[in-house]
Amino acid sequence: AQSVAQPEDQVNVAEGNPLTVKCTYSVSGNPYLFWYVQYPNRGLQFLLKYITGDNLVKGSYGFEAEFNKSQTSFHLKKPSALVSDSALYFCAVRDMDNQGGKLIFGQGTELSVKP
Amino acid sequence: DAGVTQSPTHLIKTRGQQVTLRCSPKSGHDTVSWYQQALGQGPQFIFQYYEEEERQRGNFPDRFSGHQFPNYSSELNVNALLLGDSALYLCASSLMGQPTDEQFFGPGTRLTVL
Repeated sequence: AQSVAQPEDQVNVAEGNPLTVKCTYSVSGNPYLFWYVQYPNRGLQFLLKYITGDNLVKGSYGFEAEFNKSQTSFHLKKPSALVSDSALYFCAVRDMDNQGGKLIFGQGTELSVKP
Repeated sequence: DAGVTQSPTHLIKTRGQQVTLRCSPKSGHDTVSWYQQALGQGPQFIFQYYEEEERQRGNFPDRFSGHQFPNYSSELNVNALLLGDSALYLCASSLMGQPTDEQFFGPGTRLTVL
């Protein structure tokens, strides 16, 4: 069975500092990994994905993520945090055991960026 | 492009009632997936519709059912509502056979069961 885990319920960062939101995964084959962001009372917005190739993936709003196969991790990063980055972040893996490829989500990490 | 749209935005029901939620996929997409997001949790997959058939189902009881129409829009029906059904219901659209593509999510329907 495929799964993802986000070990931190909350991450606190000062504005201008780098941020990292952690994600680890467990899959039976090659992972298709995604990061989404959710603002209060809103749906999910796609940030970036790893399918294959370069281990450093760049996405929307200055976010990037580093895929590490040996550590089975896909951590989300940003060099300089903004207050507007405060939101709920979800890591997800695509279930490739079925054609439809449902997304399996982690429990989410709340990012708080203080001025 | 309007993206994925959902209606209604909010809904309040009482236990035992039935509810229908609606979703229109992003233009060009043919597959609709439904997710339930309880407070403080990540979205949980309910089921997926493609070619007007349920293709995949998560661990949800038969009280949860759905439908897809020829224009690819979809409905989620929940019968005999329980307090535990209170959640944000998210619809996501995608293109079948493109597993590397991201799913696009709608804004969700907030269901409150009293």
